[in-house]
Amino acid sequence: TQLLEQSPQFLSIQEGENLTVYCNSSSVFSSLQWYRQEPGEGPVLLVTVVTGGEVKKLKRLTFQFGDARKDSSLHITAAQPGDTGLYLCAGEKKTSYDKVIFGPGTSLSVIP
Amino acid sequence: SQTIHQWPATLVQPVGSPLSLECTVEGTSNPNLYWYRQAAGRGLQLLFYSVGIGQISSEVPQNLSASRPQDRQFILSSKKLLLSDSGFYLCAWTSKGSGRQAFFGQGTRLTVV
Repeated sequence: TQLLEQSPQFLSIQEGENLTVYCNSSSVFSSLQWYRQEPGEGPVLLVTVVTGGEVKKLKRLTFQFGDARKDSSLHITAAQPGDTGLYLCAGEKKTSYDKVIFGPGTSLSVIP
Repeated sequence: SQTIHQWPATLVQPVGSPLSLECTVEGTSNPNLYWYRQAAGRGLQLLFYSVGIGQISSEVPQNLSASRPQDRQFILSSKKLLLSDSGFYLCAWTSKGSGRQAFFGQGTRLTVV
């Protein structure tokens, strides 16, 4: 059972276009993170959102955490080829042991 | 500063052979440690995580095992590799507390032939 779902799975767009990717769950998370991964490397953190309804901006990237802390979105404005990569959301699940689980990812390709 | 080392970077092993991947963390103490596996272009599947020495939680029943003999050392092992064990293996650590960033090693590309 996938605790975190991401959509779309694949996305190919032209340079300059805008896009939004989504991360959804039926579970509540104490925090949610977005990572970007390039081929052959480990993921690198982009942002952490903690408060329901929180919006964070990182240059052309806008991240939003849902009010109920079950979902999040990543919006990219005027995409550039350097934005190409795998975008992963990750949630912190509170159990007897804390653990970080990842969604299946959205593979983004920005065509020059 | 904290760093995480994972080796080897690539590995080609025959079916039935043993496996040992090692991960060490520097610059922090008492980290949470994770082993993930990733299929090509897809998300990370959590295999094992550890909150302390000798404390291992297995997420997926499989042909693999993990051990944490020291505070900052995490080892992924197998006695007999299967073809389905091929993939990209990533070690990661987080500090304890909420909203913790995961720091990843460079990964090991394992091909079982």
